[in-house]
Amino acid sequence: QLQLQESGPGLVKPSETLSLTCTVSGGSISSSSYYWGWIRQPPGKGLEWIGSIYYSGSTYYNPSLKSRVTISVDTSKNQFSLKLSSVTAADTAVYYCARAVAAAGYPDWFDPWGQGTLVTVSS
Amino acid sequence: EIVMTQSPATLSVSPGERATLSCRASQSVSSNLAWYQQKPGQAPRLLIYGASTRATGIPARFSGSGSGTEFTLTISSLQSEDFAVYYCQQYNNWPPLFTFGPGTKVDIK
Repeated sequence: QLQLQESGPGLVKPSETLSLTCTVSGGSISSSSYYWGWIRQPPGKGLEWIGSIYYSGSTYYNPSLKSRVTISVDTSKNQFSLKLSSVTAADTAVYYCARAVAAAGYPDWFDPWGQGTLVTVSS
Repeated sequence: EIVMTQSPATLSVSPGERATLSCRASQSVSSNLAWYQQKPGQAPRLLIYGASTRATGIPARFSGSGSGTEFTLTISSLQSEDFAVYYCQQYNNWPPLFTFGPGTKVDIK
């Protein structure tokens, strides 16, 4: 059964870079059938897609975050990572990693999701 | 950007009753719509994709319908474990720009 697990600091200072890693187990990140994505959820609010990556390194980003986001993949470790620069309090959220089905060659729906990790931006 | 709206914001239902949740897209997304269930402190769980296809392991009491801009998630007979927040998500954009609705909370009447 495929499982995803987020890891990284739970507290980041304003203006610094948020860095998270998602470790995939029970399956290969190099599957041609899937993309891998990051989604976030501010406390008490809804879901916002951050971006998705293919095992080859091809990426798609939310235009609203694109200038600050980098998603990368390490197939040797079965991991993919998120970097979000110049963070502010508005970036405080639970960050989820998830697998995205690539039914037509690009990412679609997300299944399954990691359990999520809360990242707080505060000095 | 395609904007997703959901109604109602909160739906109060008694166990055993039917719940009908609506999702609307600001422009056509064809059938490129998914539904998720989220319980407190948990990650979202995929229920429906392709507007009407149940994900693996999802009970038959969950059904999805619609296409274009209007979609519905129906829970035929609410069980105690179904009280949660439900989100719709469109994946129709090219290049990909996925957007979620604001959610509908289903609580106990």
